[in-house]
Amino acid sequence: DTGVSQDPRHKITKRGQNVTFRCDPISEHNRLYWYRQTLGQGPEFLTYFQNEAQLEKSRLLSDRFSAERPKGSFSTLEIQRTEQGDSAMYLCASSQTGPYGYTFGSGTRLTVV
Amino acid sequence: AQSVTQPDIHITVSEGASLELRCNYSYGATPYLFWYVQSPGQGLQLLLKYFSGDTLVQGIKGFEAEFKRSQSSFNLRKPSVHWSDAAEYFCAVGAPNNNDMRFGAGTRLTVKP
Repeated sequence: DTGVSQDPRHKITKRGQNVTFRCDPISEHNRLYWYRQTLGQGPEFLTYFQNEAQLEKSRLLSDRFSAERPKGSFSTLEIQRTEQGDSAMYLCASSQTGPYGYTFGSGTRLTVV
Repeated sequence: AQSVTQPDIHITVSEGASLELRCNYSYGATPYLFWYVQSPGQGLQLLLKYFSGDTLVQGIKGFEAEFKRSQSSFNLRKPSVHWSDAAEYFCAVGAPNNNDMRFGAGTRLTVKP
């Protein structure tokens, strides 16, 4: 068990560019979650998948954001036409179905300049 | 929807002193409750969780938490704090279907030598 992996760890991009982040969950976990965390705040829920199905999306997830989990394994989160307000830590987590806590990755820190 | 309040933004304790971090939740049914710890630039690590049964739960690193339904609280405690405990602590509440965990804004712990 290698834990939840996120790539890249850091991303600096110019406003208006597109970025894509990757998350590799723990292999036995069928659920995958994306959260966003800004400085001084707790993580905010963005979306989650059960296997390959995206079952819930937060209102925080604007049309510029899209997430996929094509084969029920790794997931990608894409942000199109980035804005400075998108600067944050993007956290991925995974879990099994049921009363379990989530296992988080180390996050991808996005800076939009 | 569930929500979490952590009343203390920042707490400073001396090494060796006891610690209590407060957490109050709002949820219509029996909640699933969690405490996570986050070191700077890192993801979140699960300290402990409560689903049912004994209201005093033990976690890793010598932490414990007590669920008090009458007070809607789930406070985290440690009898003797170590310098390595300095970090950000997040309380979270989840629904039984485990699809949307909500976090508090966090409490930053500073440990004085």
